[in-house]
Amino acid sequence: EVQLVESGGGLVQPGGSLRLSCAASGFTFSNYDMHWVRQATGKGLEWVSAFGTSGDTHYPGSVKGRFTVSRENAKNSLYLQMNSLTAGDTAVYYCARGETIQILYSHYYYMDVWGKGTTVTVSS
Amino acid sequence: DIQMTQSPSSLSASVGDRVTFTCRASQSISSYLNWYQHKPGKAPKLLIYGASILHSGVPSRFSGSGSGTNFTLTISRLQPEDFATYLCQQSYSSPPWTFGQGTKVEIK
Repeated sequence: EVQLVESGGGLVQPGGSLRLSCAASGFTFSNYDMHWVRQATGKGLEWVSAFGTSGDTHYPGSVKGRFTVSRENAKNSLYLQMNSLTAGDTAVYYCARGETIQILYSHYYYMDVWGKGTTVTVSS
Repeated sequence: DIQMTQSPSSLSASVGDRVTFTCRASQSISSYLNWYQHKPGKAPKLLIYGASILHSGVPSRFSGSGSGTNFTLTISRLQPEDFATYLCQQSYSSPPWTFGQGTKVEIK
């Protein structure tokens, strides 16, 4: 069964750090881009980071310089190191698999496998 | 960055109803639009990619349409398991991959 399981969430004080993990199973992990996406209470989904198969990493401006995504293909694992956390980082964090499919001359990209999320709460 | 705006933010409907909601992009994204279903405490689920292509295993009562800046998701006959939040996402200009804020479908 194709599966992603996040862990590492918890309560952390403002300015603190936390490291999230995502364990993948049921597919060849190294063949896929991987993402972190978060959802704050009452808000929509926000993409947080990506780690491509070529080793490229990407972040939105809201977390750039504070968050670092990494992966260990040998362990089928994705990680998110979060530093200088603020209340605005409080959210459920999801791990997701990125996939590209070519249909005719178009290449469509989507996130087709997601975990159930791990909750990060930043509060004093 | 491309902004995605969904409407309405929520709607109430009954089992068997046909429901349609929209997603608008701040600039043209051709057909690079995905739809996801999300239930509380569960993993988001991909429904549609390429604006109208049903992902494997997704029931045929779901359909998507649109191109450019305006897109719609339609559920032809609402089932009890369809009460959830639906989000659109653009993959035309990424990163960043941007999502709409979601439409919550509630039981009337």
